[in-house]
Amino acid sequence: DADVTQTPRNRITKTGKRIMLECSQTKGHDRMYWYRQDPGLGLRLIYYSFDVKDINKGEISDGYSVSRQAQAKFSLSLESAIPNQTALYFCATSDSGTGRNEQFFGPGTRLTVL
Amino acid sequence: GQQLNQSPQSMFIQEGEDVSMNCTSSSIFNTWLWYKQDPGEGPVLLIALYKAGELTSNGRLTAQFGITRKDSFLNISASIPSDVGIYFCAGLFAAGNKLTFGGGTRVLVKP
Repeated sequence: DADVTQTPRNRITKTGKRIMLECSQTKGHDRMYWYRQDPGLGLRLIYYSFDVKDINKGEISDGYSVSRQAQAKFSLSLESAIPNQTALYFCATSDSGTGRNEQFFGPGTRLTVL
Repeated sequence: GQQLNQSPQSMFIQEGEDVSMNCTSSSIFNTWLWYKQDPGEGPVLLIALYKAGELTSNGRLTAQFGITRKDSFLNISASIPSDVGIYFCAGLFAAGNKLTFGGGTRVLVKP
């Protein structure tokens, strides 16, 4: 099945460390997204990319950076992790060719910053 | 930023009951999506709505795109234990190009 995968699934790190979360997809979708989820809150958009050469900030991009290495890969980096970046992180994809806006999510990465 | 108000924040269900939840916004949408998230997993798309007034079903789930284009409703009929989880609405504003998510409705089983 075409899928969205994220690695690692769980990560514990220390304040000040650089962390990279990876996302890859076999859906053939052109658009990819990174979201953050905190307890009791909905999903908030960090960055999104509509194709390999396109990177856009979302509503909470401070402290994060991204790289779209290929159409199928979109990675999220925390240059210097801080405790309030402890959260669930989700990657999502969508296909602009359908004319719809349905996004399909990966299983998530649980990040803990000590 | 633009926001979606989703209610209720949580609810208890008893097997066999019908339940409803809704999302509202002060701005006009041209897309409404409903997702379910199980513990430890990513959100899964349940229903997508693209036209004002549209009523769409997926099994025991029914969702409607409000006539004013500022709200949407999700109904679950004859609930079963596996309906437990968090349900999110998401919308695309008429002038926007990215989704905004509601805060979620946590569905729990009555003890």
